Parts: sequence; C-alpha cells; structure tokens
Amino acid sequence: DAKTTQPTSMDCAEGRAANLPCNHSTISGNEYVYWYRQIHSQGPQYIIHGLKNNETNEMASLIITEDRKSSTLILPHATLRDTAVYYCIVSRPGSNYKLTFGKGTLLTVNP
Amino acid sequence: NAGVTQTPKFQVLKTGQSMTLQCAQDMNHEYMSWYRQDPGMGLRLIHYSVGAGITDQGEVPNGYNVSRSTTEDFPLRLLSAAPSQTSVYFCASSRNRASNEKLFFGSGTQLSVL
Repeated sequence: DAKTTQPTSMDCAEGRAANLPCNHSTISGNEYVYWYRQIHSQGPQYIIHGLKNNETNEMASLIITEDRKSSTLILPHATLRDTAVYYCIVSRPGSNYKLTFGKGTLLTVNP
Repeated sequence: NAGVTQTPKFQVLKTGQSMTLQCAQDMNHEYMSWYRQDPGMGLRLIHYSVGAGITDQGEVPNGYNVSRSTTEDFPLRLLSAAPSQTSVYFCASSRNRASNEKLFFGSGTQLSVL
C-alpha cells in the first residue's frame, strides 16, 4: 500500500472550514484513499473514502487531485467536537479490513 | 445493535500472566481484526480474520494468539504478558472486503503489564 504524509498538527477556528492535506505521491491507479478520525481515547471512526472523483457525505468532503498524488479532507464548519486525530490511509481494493494507520494529523478546533 | 463490543475496558497484569481480550460484534460481519496503539503512534495490525475458522497475522503478531470459532467473536490471547505489550487494544470489524465498506471499531481495552 502507498505511504501517506500528513502534517503533525493543525489548528482551526470554530465555525470555519478545516482543510486537512494528505500527500500520497506513490499511490497506484487502483488504490483508494480513506479518512478516519480518532477522538481522544475512542476507537477510530470512518469519515469518507474515494478513488478518483471528489466525494461528499454528511460529515465531510474529499477532494482528490487529478493526478491522485494528494488529497484534502474538508470539514465545512468545524466544531469543538471535531478536535481529533485524522488519519489519511491509502489501500488496495479488497484490503479495507486491514488498513495501515500512520500517526495522522491532530486537528484542534479553537473557540 | 451494539456494534463492536470489547471487554474489559481496563486491565492490569503482572509479567508472565495470561489473559484474553474479548471482542464481539452483532452486525454479522465476516471480517474482524485486532490493532494495538502505543502513545504517539498510529494503530498497528496484530491479527485479522476473514471468516469463522480463518485467521492470519498482521504487522505485529508476536506474543498474541487468536481464534475465530464463530462469526460474532474474535478473542485475543496473551499467553505470557510482557511489559512491551502495555498498550491500548482496538478490535474492528467489516462486513466484507469491498472497498466501499467501513471498518467499525470498538471502544478499546487499555492494558498495563507490570
């Protein structure tokens, strides 16, 4: 599976959009990009995933560049409860049950 | 529908003791896995199962045993606990291996080995 690079930490003001970047320059053509988050001491929670096209759900939007070498997770209106570690994961098809989690980005939403 | 349930939430062991971390899911998921998380680290895969009776090793399997006799349960056994196994353990499940399926995680077991 391709390796990902994320900033160690980011800050965001409450109510503003949080844009979390992820670099995956060695991604293969059939690998998916997944985002999970982990709120302090809890188990990770699925956010969103995508292959080529941009995706949106009730939690977030995922923007994948045309060359697929990077992506951005967007939380449109961050709240204090969005403070968490966000993991960007790249995985081959059929391997979603054994994902490789890196250290992720600690997003702190400030009042 | 409880999802993925882990017990106990906290456990303290002495070096050399054995114990079993329990994991159960009520979603009829085929795939289950165990991860450990050390301070400041991401999650590392210990063992996983793709169905009842089938298990395989992940990234850090040494010192741990698993079995999958039913679809619902996937216990993790420490036969002789070591201080290096002090960690937070998460169990996860997935309905199948399709790329659009999510991993569901339990709330974790915090284990300390003295």
